[in-house]
Formats: sequence, structure tokens, C-alpha cells
Amino acid sequence: DARVTQTPRDKVTEMGQEVTMRCQPILGHNTVFWYRQTMMQGLELLAYFRNRAPLDDSGMPKDRFSAEMPDATLATLKIQPSEPRDSAVYFCASGFGTPDTEAFFGQGTRLTVV
Amino acid sequence: AQSVSQHNHHVILSEAASLELGCNYSYGGTVNLFWYVQYPGQHLQLLLKYFSGDPLVKGIKGFEAEFIKSKFSFNLRKPSVQWSDTAEYFCAVKGVNRDDKIIFGKGTRLHILP
Repeated sequence: DARVTQTPRDKVTEMGQEVTMRCQPILGHNTVFWYRQTMMQGLELLAYFRNRAPLDDSGMPKDRFSAEMPDATLATLKIQPSEPRDSAVYFCASGFGTPDTEAFFGQGTRLTVV
Repeated sequence: AQSVSQHNHHVILSEAASLELGCNYSYGGTVNLFWYVQYPGQHLQLLLKYFSGDPLVKGIKGFEAEFIKSKFSFNLRKPSVQWSDTAEYFCAVKGVNRDDKIIFGKGTRLHILP
């Protein structure tokens, strides 16, 4: 059963610390999305990649967030330094790079910054 | 710019009631449309999708949605809800160009009373 895998599932950290979230897309998928879910804003698209290249990261606060794909099986989202307002659930999703592709979601990383 | 509007933030129904959740989108071109469901504590799962053809789309668990192009709408329906349908429902839109991103509405929380 193919699935998107995210680690860690839960992360509690102190303000100012670096946080790294990892995502393993479904094998064969060449598109990866990062979303942030909060009660107030719902699901916000932070960044997405096609064939490991960033296509759009306009939704991401550039001063503290960064997203990369070191290889086709790993996507990372880093926050440095973290702030309490970054507390949210971060979802990774992957898909095929065709116009009619849907996104397959991981279980998410629940981040709490205290 | 792409946007998705879900009119109802919170819906409460009794079991066996009929359901319709509204979704309107804004996009200057041909779109693909999706409904996702998120059960409590879980990740998003695809309910149904529209790419082309018959504007009435049937999905899993008895859900269906109708694409009305003239109204820019893609409302979700179910004739008779069950307690297990308690979840949050997200409408999403994607342009048909290869690099178009998937944008989500803010979601509708559905609570079914037993």
C-alpha cells in the first residue's frame, strides 16, 4: 500500500530552535507539495516541487522557512528559528506530474513551538 | 489568482439527513476539481475528482459532486449521511496546466448527530 511518509509525527520545540520535517513521497511521484494547516487559515500551500526543482514557494516565509529535495525520495521543510506562530500541522503530499494529477497526503507533522 | 470559497464553516446534521456542501472557485481557465475528507486526527483523503466529461461525479462512500461551469461551483452532496461521515471536508481546485498548483478551501466541519 503506497503512502506518503512524514516524520516526525509530533514535534514540540522551544522558540528559537531549528525544526526539520521530512517527507518521503510515493515512489514514482515527481511532484511534492508542502501545506500548513491551522484553524484560522485552513490549508495553505507553502511550496511545491516538480522533479526536485522548486516551482513555487511564494507561500513560504522566506526569512525562516526553507524547503529542499536532496533526492527524489526525500523532501525537507526547515524552520529556523522557530516561533510560536509556526505551531500547526504540516502536511506533505505527492503526485504524478500530469495536469489531472491529484495529491496524496501524508499523516502530517504536528508542530508545537513553546 | 486561484481561490476556493467554502460557504459553510460548520454544519451539524442528524443521521439520514441529506447533505450539500457549497464550493465556489475563482480561476481564469479550465480547472480540475477535488473534494477531500479529513477524519479526526487523520490525513486528507480523496473523496472524488472532476477532470472532464460528465459534470456529475460519483465518489467513494456515497458522495457525489456536480460541476456547474456557469456558476463556478462544485458542490458536494450525499442523500443520507451517517455518523461516520463526521469529518472536515475540503474543496480544491487546480488549473489544467502542468505546473498549476492545487489550492484548497478553508474546509467545512461536518458533525453528524447519532
